[in-house]
Amino acid sequence: GAVVSQHPSWVICKSGTSVKIECRSLDFQATTMFWYRQFPKQSLMLMATSNEGSKATYEQGVEKDKFLINHASLTLSTLTVTSAHPEDSSFYICSARGGGLNTDTQYFGPGTRLTVL
Amino acid sequence: QKEVEQNSGPLSVPEGAIASLNCTYSDRGSQSFFWYRQYSGKSPELIMSIYSNGDKEDGRFTAQLNKASQYVSLLIRDSQPSDSATYLCAVRTGNQFYFGTGTSLTVIP
Repeated sequence: GAVVSQHPSWVICKSGTSVKIECRSLDFQATTMFWYRQFPKQSLMLMATSNEGSKATYEQGVEKDKFLINHASLTLSTLTVTSAHPEDSSFYICSARGGGLNTDTQYFGPGTRLTVL
Repeated sequence: QKEVEQNSGPLSVPEGAIASLNCTYSDRGSQSFFWYRQYSGKSPELIMSIYSNGDKEDGRFTAQLNKASQYVSLLIRDSQPSDSATYLCAVRTGNQFYFGTGTSLTVIP
């Protein structure tokens, strides 16, 4: 149980385009979803926290107009990187809270590797 | 002071040995504690969670929590080369989760 999927697993796009990443909790309802970014050999960086039906809460330094988060249902959250640039190339990972015996546990998706040319 | 602190390593142990990973946290009110494993290029996967003082064992893994000392550790017995990864400590305080920067473990065959 407590499986989280992400789609796509990798994406290559041209500079200036927008990219949407989906995060789904497959076998549980997620009260909260989290979006992280991780650069090579660096630690996880929390970008934002989203609750279903509410606006996302962004961490300091994360541009909310560039990284659009929509949490439309208890099983789906999307992250849209708008007008992507090469410096946005990174590993984007979502996690969902809830499910299983311990509803306070975060379960991570497999990640999406974004490369902006 | 960071919310969660881990020694970044790298930590190297020979195959078959016990690997000991440590983590300290700053908020005495923290309620839940987690260990995740992250292989290079992959996302973190949950190994164990622990909520009360003492030890919790799951296979070759033992998590230890000492709330008085604000300390949580992970022991890996009979370490295998496949255990080579970065281990992340995470703490939940209220509705906030805090992650350490991770300890890199290498198990040498």
